[in-house]
Amino acid sequence: NAGVMQNPRHLVRRRGQEARLRCSPMKGHSHVYWYRQLPEEGLKFMVYLQKENIIDESGMPKERFSAEFPKEGPSILRIQQVVRGDSAAYFCASSPGDHGYTFGSGTRLTVV
Amino acid sequence: RKEVEQDPGPFNVPEGATVAFNCTYSNSASQSFFWYRQDCRKEPKLLMSVYSSGNEDGRFTAQLNRASQYISLLIRDSKLSDSATYLCVVNLPGGGNKLTFGTGTQLKVEL
Repeated sequence: NAGVMQNPRHLVRRRGQEARLRCSPMKGHSHVYWYRQLPEEGLKFMVYLQKENIIDESGMPKERFSAEFPKEGPSILRIQQVVRGDSAAYFCASSPGDHGYTFGSGTRLTVV
Repeated sequence: RKEVEQDPGPFNVPEGATVAFNCTYSNSASQSFFWYRQDCRKEPKLLMSVYSSGNEDGRFTAQLNRASQYISLLIRDSKLSDSATYLCVVNLPGGGNKLTFGTGTQLKVEL
């Protein structure tokens, strides 16, 4: 039973480009969470999704950021027109319900 | 005031020492409490949940004081492999399964 799979592990984008981060939850998990960890800071909640629904996006920046979790396929965190301040580690976690988090290994985004 | 506050450290201790970390949280209605461990540039991993009655897992003991809104983690007989950042984590009321992380306390165990 594979864990939470995130790809790519490392992503380099130039300012103004788009970044797409993928997260495949553990088998049987229908809840996905995205967190961002800026350098030297703690993890900050971004968004909580269930299949085809955004449940809580209170931590998402209002512009340029979007997330989806389609019926088929991985959850996608999309960042449009990236800026240097978007450079961070983005962690996805999944759970089967209201407890029992498992984190993926993260995607490290570097904006140059 | 931050929702979860921790001393960032680093705590440099010799192998075999006992070390304690503290954490405070601001929302008295917080529901669930955890300690996570994060190794350099890796994902956080659950170390243990924290209960009001206190709980122990081998060399690790966690305590929760709801009245003082204070959480602690005690590590006995520390090993080199315990070197990591320890994250205090709280599940806020009405937050579903959304977790709020402290910035972490760095521990370095030395020979």
